This record gives sequence, structure tokens and C-alpha cells, in this order.
Amino acid sequence: SQQGEEDPQALSIQEGENATMNCSYKTSINNLQWYRQNSGRGLVHLILIRSNEREKHSGRLRVTLDTSKKSSSLLITASRAADTASYFCATDASGANSKLTFGKGITLSVRP
Amino acid sequence: GAVVSQHPSRVICKSGTSVKIECRSLDFQATTMFWYRQFPKKSLMLMATSNEGSKATYEQGVEKDKFLINHASLTLSTLTVTSAHPEDSSFYICSAKGQGNLFYGYTFGSGTRLTVV
Repeated sequence: SQQGEEDPQALSIQEGENATMNCSYKTSINNLQWYRQNSGRGLVHLILIRSNEREKHSGRLRVTLDTSKKSSSLLITASRAADTASYFCATDASGANSKLTFGKGITLSVRP
Repeated sequence: GAVVSQHPSRVICKSGTSVKIECRSLDFQATTMFWYRQFPKKSLMLMATSNEGSKATYEQGVEKDKFLINHASLTLSTLTVTSAHPEDSSFYICSAKGQGNLFYGYTFGSGTRLTVV
């Protein structure tokens, strides 16, 4: 099964509101990353949080990580129409053969 | 920053032909390349992992004879979809990891939209 399960699967909000997206995973990780993908385009790396970190900020983004619950959240504050995209969490396991495993993704629609 | 160039961005081919997709790391040495496949409105599914100079490791359910991966140099990996069929139509994305790419370890290409008619 997919490592990384986001919820909700789809989120529609008004411009200016905050958007919160959650991700759960099943195995031990080295770090967890969030990506954005506009329709039909490649991935844009948003933020990385390491397993020994609990919270991280980058501009309007805030990500939290709870390794005891194997979950993470991504908060986008003061959303804009341009934030409309799909958002994926991806987990990176430890070890030399590490690789990113993606969750199913969340479709965020920000209404102007 | 680290850049991965993926070409072509779009390709349409006839059923039964082969298509090659290239992925180049422009400013770092990609010791490991990853190839993903993405169906519409779905997530990225890892197809295979390749280390420079070694045979690729394929994920369960991925046909290695159909999806040929070559990683002959530290800056280039190719994915060849052989004898393509309409069900191979998908969005293919590469990702590179390697020396000089230490911030978050992975850099993604912009993807290739393959349509088999």
C-alpha cells in the first residue's frame, strides 16, 4: 500500500482562508517532504522536515511532524488562487537505498 | 540550485513503436535516478530505481523488458517504453539524487506526457 496517505482528498476554500492538509504514514522515516503539482506539470518541492524536527516554517507554509503518530500536516496561510494545485506528501526512509514514496495527494482549490 | 532536465515534455507515438525519455542532471552528479509514472488525478508510482553503471531495480509489477532504463553516466538516465500501447499512455517523471544535491536529496524533472495512439 502507499506510504503516505493524505486527507482530505479534496479541499475547496475561499481566497484568504487557511488550508490544512494532513498526511499519515506507516514506516520509519528519515524525513518527510511536501510537494506541489499544478495540473499536467512537474513537481515543485515545498518543504522538508526531518524526523527529529517537530515544526518548520517557510513563508506562508507551516509543516508539523509527529513521529509518534506517524503523521504530518501542511498549513498554507492566507491562501491565494495561485495555490490551487495538488499537494503530495512523500516519505524518505533511512538507509543507502532510500527513495521517496508518495501519498495519494490532495487537490486544493482556492476560490477567488 | 540542482536542476534536472527531462525531454521530451510531450510525445505522441503510434502503437507498437518505442519511445525514449531522457533525464539529465545539469549541475550535479546523479548517482541514483528514479522513474515514476502518474495516471490522471493519481499519485506518483515508483517504477524503478537506477544507480549509475548498474542495472535498474524495478518495483513489483513493472515489466523490466517493457520499460528499459539505462543510467550509463552520472548525468544521464533514459527510460525507453518499448512496443508502446495505449495503456502505456501516462505522465512519466524522473527524479535524481546524488552528490551536490544534498539539500533535500531529490530533484525532479518536469515530466513527459506520453500518448500512444
